[in-house]
Amino acid sequence: EAGVVQSPRYKIIEKKQPVAFWCNPISGHNTLYWYLQNLGQGPELLIRYENEEAVDDSQLPKDRFSAERLKGVDSTLKIQPAELGDSAVYLCASSLRTSSYNEQFFGPGTRLTVL
Amino acid sequence: GNSVTQMEGPVTLSEEAFLTINCTYTATGYPSLFWYVQYPGEGLQLLLKATKADDKGSNKGFEATYRKETTSFHLEKGSVQVSDSAVYFCALIGFSGGYNKLIFGAGTRLAVHP
Repeated sequence: EAGVVQSPRYKIIEKKQPVAFWCNPISGHNTLYWYLQNLGQGPELLIRYENEEAVDDSQLPKDRFSAERLKGVDSTLKIQPAELGDSAVYLCASSLRTSSYNEQFFGPGTRLTVL
Repeated sequence: GNSVTQMEGPVTLSEEAFLTINCTYTATGYPSLFWYVQYPGEGLQLLLKATKADDKGSNKGFEATYRKETTSFHLEKGSVQVSDSAVYFCALIGFSGGYNKLIFGAGTRLAVHP
């Protein structure tokens, strides 16, 4: 069974440029998460989707960050414009459901460097 | 609020040494507790979990016991191997902002030398 797929694995951009990250969850997982992991820190939740609905986006900086999961499968996280402080690893995870705890499976992440 | 505090790394050990990585938490109610591991170049993987007080989670020789009285969930392994070199994250499920969320500690890097 394929795991959570993310692309690209690495991205280097100039500040003020836009950037997008893509995530394909494990087949059949209806819950999808985007996390931000700063260097030397644990992941922090940005947004959670149940199917195509964003049910928890309270930590997403909505002035520059946006996300979508149009068909309830794969998802895109966008930053526009990027700032130096956005340099981090962006992780995607998926799970079966969240009515009770189900294991979250993580992708390898996208490491973003903003110059 | 909910938070997790882990011992700072890196932790450097020789092969076959005993490992302890300390983890304490702050949370309302009785959260479920987890240890995740991140091997170089890979995503986080669930290592073990415990859902109530006095539960012991175990996997791959690692163990951790949910201690409500000390709000701790320390990770232990009796004999580490080079292949255990990774970053270990303690985490809990906590209720925050109207939702249950997985809240992580800062991670502890383990380096095991032959």
